[in-house]
Amino acid sequence: DAMVIQNPRYQVTQFGKPVTLSCSQTLNHNVMYWYQQKSSQAPKLLFHYYDKDFNNEADTPDNFQSRRPNTSFCFLDIRSPGLGDAAMYLCATSTGPEDYNEQFFGPGTRLTVL
Amino acid sequence: TQLLEQSPQFLSIQEGENLTVYCNSSSVFSSLQWYRQEPGEGPVLLVTVVTGGEVKKLKRLTFQFGDARKDSSLHITAAQPGDTGLYLCAGQAGAGSYQLTFGKGTKLSVIP
Repeated sequence: DAMVIQNPRYQVTQFGKPVTLSCSQTLNHNVMYWYQQKSSQAPKLLFHYYDKDFNNEADTPDNFQSRRPNTSFCFLDIRSPGLGDAAMYLCATSTGPEDYNEQFFGPGTRLTVL
Repeated sequence: TQLLEQSPQFLSIQEGENLTVYCNSSSVFSSLQWYRQEPGEGPVLLVTVVTGGEVKKLKRLTFQFGDARKDSSLHITAAQPGDTGLYLCAGQAGAGSYQLTFGKGTKLSVIP
């Protein structure tokens, strides 16, 4: 089945220790997104890629970086995690705005910062 | 900044009851989507509405887009425990927009 896969599902890191979260998709979608979701809050868009074009949200901290080496994979790097970065990180894909931007989400990675 | 307000924030009902949740904005959206998110999982797309006044049905779920495309509702008939989850509405501001504006969600608990 076509899907969005995120690894790992749970990640524990120490304050200030870099961490990388990964996302892969078999949907062959052009657009990939990274969201941060804290408890009882809406998903907050961090950035998105249209193919290799990177688009950063204005309020995304510099501490968050992303890489998309090919269509299928996208990575979220948190360079120096703080306690406030503990959250669920969601990856999503879409074919683009011409299809109403319908998004298909992965299961998420729950990040804990000690 | 476009905002989507969802109400109620929390809803706990008995199995078999009907319910309606609302998604409201002062802004117009070119399309609006509803997602359901279960604890510890990512949101799953339920439906997309694009035309003012549009009504879509998905088994026991009925979705309506307001005539002015500023609001939407989700009605569930005869709720079941499997309907439990966080219901999120999300709007696409313009036809060319890559972004979705998400509401904070309605957390539904259906008690057997």
